[in-house]
Amino acid sequence: KAGVTQTPRYLIKTRGQQVTLSCSPISGHRSVSWYQQTPGQGLQFLFEYFSETQRNKGNFPGRFSGRQFSNSRSEMNVSTLELGDSALYLCASSVLGAGTDTQYFGPGTRLTVL
Amino acid sequence: AQSVAQPEDQVNVAEGNPLTVKCTYSVSGNPYLFWYVQYPNRGLQFLLKYITGDNLVKGSYGFEAEFNKSQTSFHLKKPSALVSDSALYFCAVRDKNAGNMLTFGGGTRLMVKP
Repeated sequence: KAGVTQTPRYLIKTRGQQVTLSCSPISGHRSVSWYQQTPGQGLQFLFEYFSETQRNKGNFPGRFSGRQFSNSRSEMNVSTLELGDSALYLCASSVLGAGTDTQYFGPGTRLTVL
Repeated sequence: AQSVAQPEDQVNVAEGNPLTVKCTYSVSGNPYLFWYVQYPNRGLQFLLKYITGDNLVKGSYGFEAEFNKSQTSFHLKKPSALVSDSALYFCAVRDKNAGNMLTFGGGTRLMVKP
């Protein structure tokens, strides 16, 4: 099976712009979660989608949003970019998002905000 | 709230020697515990998980971890380190009542020297 794929791998934006990141989960996986990784804050949970519904949300401002499509692919959007949004954004998929499920991560999208 | 601590920012070990990467956790109920490894410019790769049962869990690439409920620890171990094991290691916990959200420790950089 192909792993989790994320596009694009690298992005450079300027403050105030918006950005959309894409994630394709492993075939058959219905849960997609997003995480932000920064040197200062480490790995932080953004949100989780299951069957096109946001099921869980982390402690991030409303500028961060996401959605999931019927084929389980997911996108996340960050509006009005700030310098502090520079990070590696990781997507993870799991079969059902149940407690015992393993989350498998994609390679990430590195976002740089200038 | 769930939390994870990795008390060592870096662990240095000589090739061929045993290695231990420490992790302690705090959850309100029974924990689901995970170890992931991250190589430069890559996403997280799943190593192993503890759900229930035997306290010694075996995973990928010869790694294993020991769950200790009384000490709330889940240390990662390997009998004989390889230079190629050098990477960033993350411990994560999921409270069964916290949905699919993983809470990560700050990470431990493992350096294996020839």
